[in-house]
Amino acid sequence: KQEVTQIPAALSVPEGENLVLNCSFTDSAIYNLQWFRQDPGKGLTSLLLIQSSQREQTSGRLNASLDKSSGRSTLYIAASQPGDSATYLCAVPTSGGSYIPTFGRGTSLIVHP
Amino acid sequence: DGGITQSPKYLFRKEGQNVTLSCEQNLNHDAMYWYRQDPGQGLRLIYYSQIVNDFQKGDIAEGYSVSREKKESFPLTVTSAQKNPTAFYLCASSMLQGNSPLHFGNGTRLTVT
Repeated sequence: KQEVTQIPAALSVPEGENLVLNCSFTDSAIYNLQWFRQDPGKGLTSLLLIQSSQREQTSGRLNASLDKSSGRSTLYIAASQPGDSATYLCAVPTSGGSYIPTFGRGTSLIVHP
Repeated sequence: DGGITQSPKYLFRKEGQNVTLSCEQNLNHDAMYWYRQDPGQGLRLIYYSQIVNDFQKGDIAEGYSVSREKKESFPLTVTSAQKNPTAFYLCASSMLQGNSPLHFGNGTRLTVT
């Protein structure tokens, strides 16, 4: 069964820092990996989706990388801002070539001015 | 705009009552999912459906039921058999393709007293 771990569980940084959030998974036979953002009391917003054949994806100040062989992905946030404060979750399909997403518990990020 | 609509946003019920949460999507997605989110627990899969009139149990299906009579709709019923129903419920959908991102509704917060 696919297990997804996110480190760190929480992060508090001053504005302007560059950040790295980590996601690891146990079964590397995945179609894709997706990063989400969740604001308190809200649903999840998709940030980036990396296909299994890709090494990274970029959107604005966000860059996500994928290393399937080692079962790892990182989300890099450049020049963090208070508006980046949220919980960040990664999701990968479960084992056996399934499309069913399995989620990590997330990294809770606070960026203070 | 295409998207996923969950209603209501907040729901209060007395213990012992069944309650149905609505999820509608106009994205023409094949697959729909229900997740439960508790503080510190991440998202846990309750049920999913990949085609009309068919659905599968997720990791925590006990005490819940679903139907998929239309492609656009995937309602979740929380029955009185669910031991601890108070939680945040999230509905999601996707195409059944490896490059298809997962889309989420804004969630329903259910409180049972």
